[in-house]
Amino acid sequence: AQKVTQAQTEISVVEKEDVTLDCVYETRDTTYYLFWYKQPPSGELVFLIRRNSFDEQNEISGRYSWNFQKSTSSFNFTITASQVVDSAVYFCALSEATGTASKLTFGTGTRLQVTL
Amino acid sequence: EAGVAQSPRYKIIEKRQSVAFWCNPISGHATLYWYQQILGQGPKLLIQFQNNGVVDDSQLPKDRFSAERLKGVDSTLKIQPAKLEDSAVYLCASSQVRPLSTDTQYFGPGTRLTVL
Repeated sequence: AQKVTQAQTEISVVEKEDVTLDCVYETRDTTYYLFWYKQPPSGELVFLIRRNSFDEQNEISGRYSWNFQKSTSSFNFTITASQVVDSAVYFCALSEATGTASKLTFGTGTRLQVTL
Repeated sequence: EAGVAQSPRYKIIEKRQSVAFWCNPISGHATLYWYQQILGQGPKLLIQFQNNGVVDDSQLPKDRFSAERLKGVDSTLKIQPAKLEDSAVYLCASSQVRPLSTDTQYFGPGTRLTVL
């Protein structure tokens, strides 16, 4: 069974601090995809990144970076120099392919609060 | 490019009443998903369509929930009769052509349902 664990329920940081959101996953598939979504107070889930199981290269996009380590089944997300606008709930998700179905299993989310 | 549209944004009903939600996916996206997100949890897949056919409805409470996507574009999700535990945000998402694990799901703003 697929499972995504985000052990950090809530994190509070002061603006300009760096923060890392942890994500640990479980799957029996050899081919899978990992995602991060941001959910601001408005409620919409905003896609941030997709990573496939064969690509373990870290990725950087502006202040955002992702560290994928297959050996530890982790896909962590770091925000550098956090800003108030980064305040949101962040979800890690895992996609399996079952026949023609593509299930997306979400973690329980990490609420990030960035204050001045 | 327009995103996934959903309406209404908010709905308050009493238990045992019925309610319907509407979703219009991103143009050209053949796959459409309905998720239920209970407060403090990650989204949970209810049903997945590819064009106008159901791919996966294994987690849809079929005694009270129904969904359709008659022309392969818009979709409606109905609850009849509603229970208190149905209070949640109902999210619609869409992805391109085939529901492979490579596809990224893009989400609408959601409908927040409160059942009193």
